[in-house]
Amino acid sequence: EVQLVESGGGLVRPGESLSLSCAASGFAFSDYHMNWVRQAPGKGLEWVSSISGSGTYIYEADSVKGRFTISRDNAKNSLFLHMNSLRAEDTAVYYCARVGGYQPFDLWGQGTLVTVSS
Amino acid sequence: IQLTQSPSFLSASVGDRVTITCRASQGISSYLAWYQQKPGKAPNLLIYAASTLQSGVPSRFSGSGSGTEFTLTISSLQPEDFATYYCQHLNFYATFGQGTRLEIK
Repeated sequence: EVQLVESGGGLVRPGESLSLSCAASGFAFSDYHMNWVRQAPGKGLEWVSSISGSGTYIYEADSVKGRFTISRDNAKNSLFLHMNSLRAEDTAVYYCARVGGYQPFDLWGQGTLVTVSS
Repeated sequence: IQLTQSPSFLSASVGDRVTITCRASQGISSYLAWYQQKPGKAPNLLIYAASTLQSGVPSRFSGSGSGTEFTLTISSLQPEDFATYYCQHLNFYATFGQGTRLEIK
């Protein structure tokens, strides 16, 4: 089955770090650009970061630049988001999504909730 | 590039024809997609390249436009269509509109 499954969300305090994972299956993972998109409670969608299939090219939203790092392990069909210096405004459901650039996001995971609170 | 959707909230009845507009702050050719999101679920791709229907999406959904103004039309609303809709600029630095919530009248 073609799917993306996120994990790693949880409750952390402001200033702490957290890493998210996205396990891909059912397709040639290394052929695809991948993304993280987040959605704060009751709010709209916000693109966070993306990475090319080879991992060579990385793009980041200004809101997370210098704090979040996207990476991938094509041998393990996995996408990661390492989040440092977390803030209350980073509280959101984080989705991984396939494709991007000039192509639409055609496959999404179910999301994992990150809550930043003291 | 900013995307502005209108209206932000729409109340309609089953069988109605509805149109949602997405305006871009600069021309984006046809690099636009539309998504549907239901509560507690991930977004689902409906339309890409402004007017191309994603496989499996009912034909009552259609998209049009280019440059700075785009529309998503649902020709005859079905009960399962009540959801929130987002437009997206297809770019390496993706941008989403703020969303249009479609509710049952």
